[in-house]
Amino acid sequence: QQQVKQSPQSLIVQKGGISIINCAYENTAFDYFPWYQQFPGKGPALLIAIRPDVSEKKEGRFTISFNKSAKQFSLHIMDSQPGDSATYFCAASPQTGANNLFFGTGTRLTVIP
Amino acid sequence: DAGITQSPRHKVTETGTPVTLRCHQTENHRYMYWYRQDPGHGLRLIHYSYGVKDTDKGEVSDGYSVSRSKTEDFLLTLESATSSQTSVYFCATSERRGGTDTQYFGPGTRLTVL
Repeated sequence: QQQVKQSPQSLIVQKGGISIINCAYENTAFDYFPWYQQFPGKGPALLIAIRPDVSEKKEGRFTISFNKSAKQFSLHIMDSQPGDSATYFCAASPQTGANNLFFGTGTRLTVIP
Repeated sequence: DAGITQSPRHKVTETGTPVTLRCHQTENHRYMYWYRQDPGHGLRLIHYSYGVKDTDKGEVSDGYSVSRSKTEDFLLTLESATSSQTSVYFCATSERRGGTDTQYFGPGTRLTVL
């Protein structure tokens, strides 16, 4: 059973456009929500993360929007570039208890020049 | 990759054979993790370690065992490999409790079980 549901599975965006990836969760104990970026043949790397005490976090062209009541969060990539082409994973973790980070199924983003 | 190496990087083996994957870190991180990555499933935690000789199961631990005799090394063993264990395996480390701390991933090991 997937604890974090991610969509879309794949996304094609024109250079300069906005890429949006959505995630949803059910477990109200989750309170840490990172996004990881993975290039082919490499391991995932942390891109940006948010805690539910804020509704938005921005780092450069990357923004996480968080809706606690809807139990949804999303990654927005502004001014998408071909170098952003990668697979993106959302994830969630509880503050206490088991040392688990639950990942979404991933979104393969392709930015067309 | 934050000083994390995995070996081997690629391995092909036959059903029923034992396989050991190695993760080595130079960051002196306390926590280490083994994940498997499969299409349609994302990354799933197999086992993790919170110190030397301290390990615990993740969500897909059946058929796997781990050992950590030194801070820098974390071994994943498939006692008797099955085709369902064909996957890409990633090791990760974190300085603090990994659920809420940055996890640093190694480059991965692609394992094929025939």
